[in-house]
Amino acid sequence: DAGITQSPRHKVTETGTPVTLRCHQTENHRYMYWYRQDPGHGLRLIHYSYGVKDTDKGEVSDGYSVSRSKTEDFLLTLESATSSQTSVYFCAISDPDRGISPLHFGNGTRLTVT
Amino acid sequence: GENVEQHPSTLSVQEGDSAVIKCTYSDSASNYFPWYKQELGKRPQLIIDIRSNVGEKKDQRIAVTLNKTAKHFSLHITETQPEDSAVYFCAASKGRSSGTYKYIFGTGTRLKVLA
Repeated sequence: DAGITQSPRHKVTETGTPVTLRCHQTENHRYMYWYRQDPGHGLRLIHYSYGVKDTDKGEVSDGYSVSRSKTEDFLLTLESATSSQTSVYFCAISDPDRGISPLHFGNGTRLTVT
Repeated sequence: GENVEQHPSTLSVQEGDSAVIKCTYSDSASNYFPWYKQELGKRPQLIIDIRSNVGEKKDQRIAVTLNKTAKHFSLHITETQPEDSAVYFCAASKGRSSGTYKYIFGTGTRLKVLA
C-alpha cells in the first residue's frame, strides 16, 4: 500500500466551525489531491497540488482552501463548515514526473457537519 | 468542461456471468484511463488501466477496451465471483509534457454478484 495517512478518520462538527483535514505521504510524490465522495456523484476533485506551495482548484473548490508547506503534507480547510460539506474526503497522490502515474488513495475521512 | 459519464449505475449479475461497465469521456486530449474498485467502507483501489495508444488490455478475469474515435472505454469482468461485488469507478486523465496530473471520475457502478 502507498504510504498515505489521513487524519482524522472521522470528524463531527457544527455548522460554522472551521475544520482542517490532513493528508500525510511518505512516497515523496509531487502531486497530491483532495476528492470528496458523495452518493450519485462519485469522486469529485476539490483541489490539487503539484508541488510545495503550488496548488490549483478542482471542480468543487468553493468553500475549501488548501495548503502545502512541505512535500509530505497537504491540508484541506473548511473555513466555515456547512451541512452540504458532509461527505467522505479522500486524499490521493501520484508521481507523473516518472511518466503516466495512477492515483493512490488514502483511507478517507468521514466528515459530518451538524 | 471535462466530463466522464458512466453506465449503468447499478448492475446485478449471476455468479459466473460476465459484467460490462461503460464510460464515455468528453476531452479528446485524455490519454490515460484507469479503473478503480471500491469495497464498502474502503478506499478506491486501482485494478486496471489503459493508455490511449492501446486498444485493449487484459489481466486475468478483467479487461479494458478503448475506442478513441468514439471516446469511450469499457471494463469487462468475466466469470464473476461474489468478491467482485463492489463499486467500480472509471476515470480519464490527460497529461502535461511530463505525465498525467488531473483525473476526472465517472459516478460509479455498483456491481452485485448474486450467488
